[in-house]
Amino acid sequence: EIVLTQSPATLSLSPGERATLSCRASQSVSSYLAWYQQKPGQAPRLLISGASNRATGIPARFSGSGSGTDFTLTISNLEPEDFAVYYCQQRSDWRYTFGQGTKLEIK
Amino acid sequence: EVQLLESGGGLVQPGGSLRLSCAASGFTFSNYAMSWVRQAPGKGLEWVSAARGSGRGTYSADSVKGRFTVSRDDSKNTLYLQMNTLRTEDTAVYYCAKDIGGSFAYWGQGTAVTVSS
Repeated sequence: EIVLTQSPATLSLSPGERATLSCRASQSVSSYLAWYQQKPGQAPRLLISGASNRATGIPARFSGSGSGTDFTLTISNLEPEDFAVYYCQQRSDWRYTFGQGTKLEIK
Repeated sequence: EVQLLESGGGLVQPGGSLRLSCAASGFTFSNYAMSWVRQAPGKGLEWVSAARGSGRGTYSADSVKGRFTVSRDDSKNTLYLQMNTLRTEDTAVYYCAKDIGGSFAYWGQGTAVTVSS
């Protein structure tokens, strides 16, 4: 099983700042690396698929990068609605795993 | 418009069974793999099971293998999760999700399962 490790566990920033979230895989993953945003009481929302492709309707301030085992989600110019929990996820041989999540909180 | 509507959750005693359903609409159901993803209270997301369209295969996490069975009826556009021998640690919100290229582009609203005596 491919393990995804996200860091940091919690990130405290202010609106207008840049957030950099990391996801590291225990072995190389294909392009099936995705990022999700989840707010309390809501289902997760897909932000990024294929490591760097923004999903439909996702603002340009969200960007994804990386390959192999190291991936990054960057949120530039944080808006108040961006404070939430973020998860990375991969699929390999029809097995899926999620990272443990990064909580982005208002400083 | 893609819609996923889960049902079947509820309160069940340890060792009991429950069957979840996910009714899909707005897309050609048989063309897509579908998954169940759960989230225990205050915890992260955990993939549970997946079923590829047109009978091309089913897959489950080790934590539920032998106890949960995923299936689908492409004629009814419905995904199922039969959960047997339930444990307290299976308590979670269970989401149905549509797989597009390995990521979950669409999610249902979730159905809550509580395993408790």
